[in-house]
This record gives sequence, C-alpha cells and structure tokens, in this order.
Amino acid sequence: AQSVTQLGSHVSVSEGALVLLRCNYSSSVPPYLFWYVQYPNQGLQLLLKYTTGATLVKGINGFEAEFKKSETSFHLTKPSAHMSDAAEYFCAVSDAGNQFYFGTGTSLTVIP
Amino acid sequence: KAGVTQTPRYLIKTRGQQVTLSCSPISGHRSVSWYQQTPGQGLQFLFEYFSETQRNKGNFPGRFSGRQFSNSRSEMNVSTLELGDSALYLCASSLSSDRGVGEAFFGQGTRLTVV
Repeated sequence: AQSVTQLGSHVSVSEGALVLLRCNYSSSVPPYLFWYVQYPNQGLQLLLKYTTGATLVKGINGFEAEFKKSETSFHLTKPSAHMSDAAEYFCAVSDAGNQFYFGTGTSLTVIP
Repeated sequence: KAGVTQTPRYLIKTRGQQVTLSCSPISGHRSVSWYQQTPGQGLQFLFEYFSETQRNKGNFPGRFSGRQFSNSRSEMNVSTLELGDSALYLCASSLSSDRGVGEAFFGQGTRLTVV
C-alpha cells in the first residue's frame, strides 16, 4: 500500500529564508513521487516529480526535491522564500492506474 | 493548449438532491481521475477512467459514480446528497496509462455546497 506523511501542517518562514517542507512515503513498489502546490480556490499545480534517474529533481519557481530511498523521504526545498510562495503544498505518491495518494498538506506562510 | 476544464465552478444543492459535475481533460489525454478535497479528510481518490472504462475506484459509497465519454470528457454524479458531501471536487487528466509516466494535470475544481 502507498501512503504519504507530511510533517508539519503549518510552516512559517521569513522572506528570503530557506523553505523546507518534509515528506515521507511508504510504497510497496518503486515510487513515483510528486509535489503539488495549491493556491486558494484553485486546483493543484505540479511543482516537480521523481520517476527514475537523478535523485535531485528541480522544479518550477526555484523548488527542488531529493529522493532518498534509504530514508523514504522526498523533502521539498527552496533556497530563498518569496511572498508568492505562500500556498498549500502537497506531496503525493502514485500507484498503478494513475491513482495518487496525497499527504495532508503543508500550509506555507511567508513573513515579510 | 487548453488545460483541464471543470464545470460548474460552484454549486449549491439541497440534501437529498443529486448533482452532476463535468470535466474536460487536456486534448489527447485519455485518463481522467476524480478527487474529493475536504478540510477534514484532505484529498481522497474517487475513481479513474481510461478509454471509457473505470480502472480504479476509491473507498466511496455507491452514491458516487462516474463515466467517461468517447471524447475523454468525464462526468461525476452524486446521488442523494448529504451534508458531508460538501467539498471541492477535483478532476485530473493524464496523457499516459502507465503509472507515474503521465503526471496529473488538475482542473480548478467544482466547489459543491450541500445545505
């Protein structure tokens, strides 16, 4: 069975500071991992994904994530937070048939 | 290239009524999935359709059903609405049937309020 745990439902960072959002997964098969962002009253937008190959994945808006199999983690980072990064972030693992299992989300607040 | 289109964006229904939500996937995408998003339960998978066939189903009661047409457009129906069905319903389309190869592109969702 697949599942995702996001540590910290709320994260606050100062503008310009490092953003670190944590995600741990459980998967019975080699995982395909995703990070999505959701702005209020909007759908989900893909930030980045890991399927195979390089374990450090770069995404849009300066975000990146590293797949660490030994730690079953896929943490999302951004070196310098911007006000526009304030949103809800979801980590997900995909299953056969394109079924996604989402974490409970992390709300990111950026303090000016 | 147009994105995933969900209609309507907002709906208010009364308990006991039924509702139909529509999703038009990205052109060329054959896989359409539906998710329910609520503050308490988060994002939960409803079902997935590929080439007009339901391939996968989440743990929802039979009041939730769906279908996909030959042009890949999909509809989701909820009968005998309950207050707990109030949620944001998201549709996602994918290019490939292979797991994970086709990332999911989400629509803006339909906000359903049951009163």
